[in-house]
Amino acid sequence: GENVEQHPSTLSVQEGDSAVIKCTYSDSASNYFPWYKQELGKGPQLIIDIRSNVGEKKDQRIAVTLNKTAKHFSLHITETQPEDSAVYFCAAPSYSGGGADGLTFGKGTHLIIQP
Amino acid sequence: SAVISQKPSRDICQRGTSLTIQCQVDSQVTMMFWYRQQPGQSLTLIATANQGSEATYESGFVIDKFPISRPNLTFSTLTVSNMSPEDSSIYLCSVNRALDTQYFGPGTRLTVL
Repeated sequence: GENVEQHPSTLSVQEGDSAVIKCTYSDSASNYFPWYKQELGKGPQLIIDIRSNVGEKKDQRIAVTLNKTAKHFSLHITETQPEDSAVYFCAAPSYSGGGADGLTFGKGTHLIIQP
Repeated sequence: SAVISQKPSRDICQRGTSLTIQCQVDSQVTMMFWYRQQPGQSLTLIATANQGSEATYESGFVIDKFPISRPNLTFSTLTVSNMSPEDSSIYLCSVNRALDTQYFGPGTRLTVL
């Protein structure tokens, strides 16, 4: 099965600055990499995902980059705002290929936006 | 996306008892998943539930402890049996949309005394 490592565990940035969270995965056959945001008392919310046929994907202030050779992917949040404060999780398919068999999650990053 | 509801949203239970958690989706889905999130931790996949077949459990999870039903394409239940304080967690269901994209429900917060 897949193994996903996520860093850092806590990230504190000034409002307006950028935040970067990094993940590595072990299975070179994995081809789908989602990012989730979890606010206190809520379920994880899918914020962006990337498939292995592209190296980068953007959605407004959020972007994800993928390096298949190095088996790592990163979440980039620009112009951070107080509402970005949450726990962010990366994930990859638990078994080779797609996520139809469930996801393996990183340990999470607690992002704190300082006013 | 998908609209997913879970019942109950939270519960406090006595050790040795069982709790059944319900997951309802707004449209038919093939795959439903159950995850556990222990306090302050990440999510761990418990099992995959397909309609019309037995659930597939991950290593460390067994059917006697976490029986799952999947009677139709919009509904599933997870039972946490013979509970102990170590079972105190958030239990989350998720569904697949558009290939492998997964959406999560709001979770059920379980405390076992």
